[in-house]
Amino acid sequence: SQQGEEDPQALSIQEGENATMNCSYKTSINNLQWYRQNSGRGLVHLILIRSNEREKHSGRLRVTLDTSKKSSSLLITASRAADTASYFCATDDHSWGKLQFGAGTQVVVTP
Amino acid sequence: GAVVSQHPSRVICKSGTSVKIECRSLDFQATTMFWYRQFPKQSLMLMATSNEGSKATYEQGVEKDKFLINHASLTLSTLTVTSAHPEDSSFYICSARDSEGAQETQYFGPGTRLLVL
Repeated sequence: SQQGEEDPQALSIQEGENATMNCSYKTSINNLQWYRQNSGRGLVHLILIRSNEREKHSGRLRVTLDTSKKSSSLLITASRAADTASYFCATDDHSWGKLQFGAGTQVVVTP
Repeated sequence: GAVVSQHPSRVICKSGTSVKIECRSLDFQATTMFWYRQFPKQSLMLMATSNEGSKATYEQGVEKDKFLINHASLTLSTLTVTSAHPEDSSFYICSARDSEGAQETQYFGPGTRLLVL
């Protein structure tokens, strides 16, 4: 079953703008991960944030985690056309590494 | 970074036939691999956990006799869709955890697109 919900479902922005997407989950977690998927392709791991962390950065990516609200956000700054993809959050809820994926946010960045 | 391959990348078959999909970790050993299914414009749904040398663990609602999993070595897991039907058409993705490295990170294969006619 799916653990998380993401919003928005779809996001359309212009190059240079920031893109923010949110993920909510239901159970306690060990960590939360964000992945990217280009159309019809496999997943690329972007960033992992542990349950005792509140914020993490990687290049143009910024992830926050609020365990009290059971939510996370992914911010992509200064977006590029190449950032066009679907973005998924996934939670590791201590179940031997099994990941539960959110519904995903489809991001389109227009030049 | 760690690489996971899948073969074939796409397959078209007739209804009633069986299809085998391979998932290989190319530069690391994986005692645990995971199989996911993704329908168009939907998220990934975990089907089963594949454990080297032991039986796979299936998620609720996934028929183990329909989706046979074999994890015979530390670098290979196979998923066989038996007696495939059109409703089995989907994108199948595997992932693997590095047995030696940080086991929090999973490495995903490129996926196999199955179309059952």
